Amino acid sequence: DTEVTQTPKHLVMGMTNKKSLKCEQHMGHRAMYWYKQKAKKPPELMFVYSYEKLSINESVPSRFSPECPNSSLLNLHLHALQPEDSALYLCASSQQGQYNEKLFFGSGTQLSVL
Amino acid sequence: DAKTTQPPSMDCAEGRAANLPCNHSTISGNEYVYWYRQIHSQGPQYIIHGLKNNETNEMASLIITEDRKSSTLILPHATLRDTAVYYCIVLRLGNEKLTFGTGTRLTIIP
Repeated sequence: DTEVTQTPKHLVMGMTNKKSLKCEQHMGHRAMYWYKQKAKKPPELMFVYSYEKLSINESVPSRFSPECPNSSLLNLHLHALQPEDSALYLCASSQQGQYNEKLFFGSGTQLSVL
Repeated sequence: DAKTTQPPSMDCAEGRAANLPCNHSTISGNEYVYWYRQIHSQGPQYIIHGLKNNETNEMASLIITEDRKSSTLILPHATLRDTAVYYCIVLRLGNEKLTFGTGTRLTIIP
């Protein structure tokens, strides 16, 4: 199983809503990532979890709250988002500790904030 | 990590070899060259990586110049499904911050 599964695939939410994005992998990877991608732009790194601990936060606003409940799961909790937060949110994982740190990406959640 | 420069777009005829260049003139000795691609509406996909020797796998070949200041990704027999944005990334081993540049939008023409 070389898949990273993201749910939901599409999400529409209002600015006062609270929602969560979910990411799951069963490859035994110990590093997991959240990226944000605006239309026609490259993905931008948001967060990195290493061995279930947050290791990198790229100065992301607090309305985005990541959570790594176990080594297979990664969540992104959303609260009081703005319309400019509408984007494709990508999750990735990698087998940290190996010399070839290739990332496996999910297909993303397309988020629209109204 | 070193910065990379890629042409914004390229076309290639179906069945021909697609050669995608990347400049990374400030690369350090412990930095690898990685290539990913992103097909429309999908997440990025790892293609290949290398340090200084040429590399080949089932997807592509990576040619790195002797001075390591540039590289070329070669898709030997391009198909329509190879139409995607291709990202060249330079990354130090163990660095968790995989950062994407603007990439090259490759269009395979029938």
